[in-house]
Amino acid sequence: AQRVTQPEKLLSVFKGAPVELKCNYSYSGSPELFWYVQYSRQRLQLLLRHISRESIKGFTADLNKGETSFHLKKPFAQEEDSAMYYCALSTIQGAQKLVFGQGTRLTINP
Amino acid sequence: NAGVTQTPKFQVLKTGQSMTLQCAQDMNHNSMYWYRQDPGMGLRLIYYSASEGTTDKGEVPNGYNVSRLNKREFSLRLESAAPSQTSVYFCASITGGADGELFFGEGSRLTVL
Repeated sequence: AQRVTQPEKLLSVFKGAPVELKCNYSYSGSPELFWYVQYSRQRLQLLLRHISRESIKGFTADLNKGETSFHLKKPFAQEEDSAMYYCALSTIQGAQKLVFGQGTRLTINP
Repeated sequence: NAGVTQTPKFQVLKTGQSMTLQCAQDMNHNSMYWYRQDPGMGLRLIYYSASEGTTDKGEVPNGYNVSRLNKREFSLRLESAAPSQTSVYFCASITGGADGELFFGEGSRLTVL
């Protein structure tokens, strides 16, 4: 079965410090992985997807198939990065479905 | 362009009451989804609809029914609400392709007393 695990429910770092939000997945096929973010009083929205290998708002995420991980990183945290972050795995078995992790609430302290 | 619209935004029910959450999207997406969000549990898929006329169970379908009324609309019904269904419900639709992007509604906060 497909599974996404985010081991940290809460993560707190100081402004300017590096940030790493962990995500591990379990999937027998070729994974399509995403990070979604929910800022305060905003909708859940896509932050980045591994297939595009892009950096969004200074965040990057590398798919490591050997470790089955897709950790989200940013070298210098900013206060506006405070939000709820969800890692998600896309599967297509008849229809496309996204399986989400438990989420990590990131707080950036001034 | 409204995207995904959910109603109502807030609802309080008594145990045993029924209600329907409405969802509509104007992006011409084929697939639509209902998720619930609970602290420490993340987002869990309740039901989804790959296309108009089809619906399938997700991870936590018990206690819910859905209707894909047409390509735009996908409703979620609670026939006999229970306190365990207190949650925030999100409707979403998705662009095509394996790397499709989910577009979410604003969420509906439901409390069952």
